[in-house]
Amino acid sequence: QQPVQSPQAVILREGEDAVINCSSSKALYSVHWYRQKHGEAPIFLMILLKGGEQKGHDKISASFNEKKQQSSLYLTASQLSYSGTYFCGTEIQAGGTSYGKLTFGQGTILTVHP
Amino acid sequence: EAQVTQNPRYLITVTGKKLTVTCSQNMNHEYMSWYRQDPGLGLRQIYYSMNVEVTDKGDVPEGYKVSRKEKRNFPLILESPSPNQTSLYFCASSQTLGITLYNEQFFGPGTRLTVL
Repeated sequence: QQPVQSPQAVILREGEDAVINCSSSKALYSVHWYRQKHGEAPIFLMILLKGGEQKGHDKISASFNEKKQQSSLYLTASQLSYSGTYFCGTEIQAGGTSYGKLTFGQGTILTVHP
Repeated sequence: EAQVTQNPRYLITVTGKKLTVTCSQNMNHEYMSWYRQDPGLGLRQIYYSMNVEVTDKGDVPEGYKVSRKEKRNFPLILESPSPNQTSLYFCASSQTLGITLYNEQFFGPGTRLTVL
C-alpha cells in the first residue's frame, strides 16, 4: 500500500525551513528518503529503521514515529540545490525482518527560490 | 567508477515485440530492484532480488519478468509489451546488511520506454 506524502508541493526562499511528511496505514519496518531532480536518477538521503537506527547525510535530518507509522524529513536553511522531488519509501513490517519490498509515495515537489 | 548501468537508455517499440532492458552493477551488491516511474504515481517497484537466484514481486509485477543468474546483472524482460508499459524505468542496487535492506540504493540512469 502506497504511503501518503504531504504536502504535495512546497515553495521556499533560500534559508527557509521545510518539513515533508510520510504516512502509512501499515506497521513499518523502515522508511527510506530519496531526492530526485528532473530527468535524473533518485539520490539517497536517509534510512530510518524501527528501533531507532538511522543512516544518512549529515545535513539531512528525519524522524520515524513507529507507533503512528509516520516519518518526517526536515530540511533546514534550504539551499537552491535542495530543489527537486522528494520520495519516501516504506518497508512493511512482516515477521520482524526486512524483505526488500519497498513502496514509494507519490512524491513532494520542493522548489527553492533565491 | 562504482555505478549501475542500464541499456538501452531510450527505446521505442511496438506492441507485442519482446524486449529486454539490461541492468548491471559493479559494486558487488546483493540487492537489486526494478522500478517504473509515471507522472503523479512516484516510483513503483516491479521486482526485486535479495541475492542470486532469489527474486520477488514488487507492487506492479504484471507483464514483466526478471532473472538473477549472476550477482551483477538483473535484466527486465517484457515478453509482450503493451502501451500501458510506456514509462521511465530505473534499476537500483544496494548492499544488504545480513538480510536487511539497510543501505542506500544506487540508481541507474533510467530507460525511457515507449510502446506504440
